[in-house]
Amino acid sequence: AQKITQTQPGMFVQEKEAVTLDCTYDTSDPSYGLFWYKQPSSGEMIFLIYQGSYDQQNATEGRYSLNFQKARKSANLVISASQLGDSAMYFCAMRELLIQGAQKLVFGQGTRLTINP
Amino acid sequence: NAGVTQTPKFQVLKTGQSMTLQCAQDMNHNSMYWYRQDPGMGLRLIYYSASEGTTDKGEVPNGYNVSRLNKREFSLRLESAAPSQTSVYFCASRGTGFTDTQYFGPGTRLTVL
Repeated sequence: AQKITQTQPGMFVQEKEAVTLDCTYDTSDPSYGLFWYKQPSSGEMIFLIYQGSYDQQNATEGRYSLNFQKARKSANLVISASQLGDSAMYFCAMRELLIQGAQKLVFGQGTRLTINP
Repeated sequence: NAGVTQTPKFQVLKTGQSMTLQCAQDMNHNSMYWYRQDPGMGLRLIYYSASEGTTDKGEVPNGYNVSRLNKREFSLRLESAAPSQTSVYFCASRGTGFTDTQYFGPGTRLTVL
């Protein structure tokens, strides 16, 4: 079974600084996918970025990038030039295959990020 | 294009009462999912539907039933609510591509007294 570990329950960062949120994973599947979601205080789950195990390059989406180190089984989220609106809970998740093409997401416990002005 | 919608947003039940959470998506996705999120935790899968007409159990199915009414709609029913079912419930849907992500509804915050 897949397992996701996020070891930072909370992080505090000054506005405009870069921040790295840690995520390690465990799987025996050679083909896997990793996702990051943002959950602001309003509660919705917002998809940020995806990295496939066979992707040659680290994924990037605007200010978000993924530091993917396959040998270390880590997929850390990097947010550049942090903004007050980045304050939220962040979840790392891994895809697990189900029947008939369905997939579930296995989530870590999350990291609460607070950006200070 | 509303994405994934859920009703209601909030609900308070007494122990033993029943209710149905509604979910609909307008993205023509085949698979749909119900998750629950307990305080300080990530989401856990309750039930899913790989395609219209099929449903299967996830990690935490006890106390719940689901119906995939059509391709758009997937409902979650609590037949006899218990305080342990106090949680935030999220519906999600996903396209058929292998790398497609799941898109979540806004969630339903349920309290069982």
